[in-house]
Amino acid sequence: IAGITQAPTSQILAAGRRMTLRCTQDMRHNAMYWYRQDLGLGLRLIHYSNTAGTTGKGEVPDGYSVSRANTDDFPLTLASAVPSQTSVYFCASSPRTSGGVTDTQYFGPGTRLTVL
Amino acid sequence: AQSVTQLGSHVSVSEGALVLLRCNYSSSVPPYLFWYVQYPNQGLQLLLKYTSAATLVKGINGFEAEFKKSETSFHLTKPSAHMSDAAEYFCAVSDRTGSARQLTFGSGTQLTVLP
Repeated sequence: IAGITQAPTSQILAAGRRMTLRCTQDMRHNAMYWYRQDLGLGLRLIHYSNTAGTTGKGEVPDGYSVSRANTDDFPLTLASAVPSQTSVYFCASSPRTSGGVTDTQYFGPGTRLTVL
Repeated sequence: AQSVTQLGSHVSVSEGALVLLRCNYSSSVPPYLFWYVQYPNQGLQLLLKYTSAATLVKGINGFEAEFKKSETSFHLTKPSAHMSDAAEYFCAVSDRTGSARQLTFGSGTQLTVLP
């Protein structure tokens, strides 16, 4: 079934450790996104990528980095995790057609991360 | 800059009653508007979207929303609630002109359907 997969499903991490959240899509979408979801705050954009080889900062990028080496994969790395990064992380992708832009984003199932 | 305000973090309705979830947006350019639904322990699913065609947009599961420019609103409705509609609903706005075409989400409304 086509879609977005995220790994791991959940993780408990000690503060100061490095962690990479994985995201893979098989829809050949150009754009990919990372969000964090916190109670009462909705989803906030961390980083995005319009196409392979390019990335950009979202609303809350500090403490996170991303790379986009190919179309399918968009990993999110926490170089040195802190407790405030405890959250649910969602990866998303969109076709980003030009002209008649669709902008519909398709979401993965999420990764629940706890930093102690 | 764009923003979304969802009025009411929790809404309860009886099964069979009208569902009304409120969303107001702020955008300096004509927006795209979306409603997403999130069931427990799942990712977000698109319910419907407005992209400047018809102002009344019909989505999945019997939901619809009406774009009202004069009120800067995009409220979500369903004539008759079903138990399976219990979930969290997010309104989102997209800036058509931004290079990232980023979505800005509201804080969400948790819908409870009472038997």
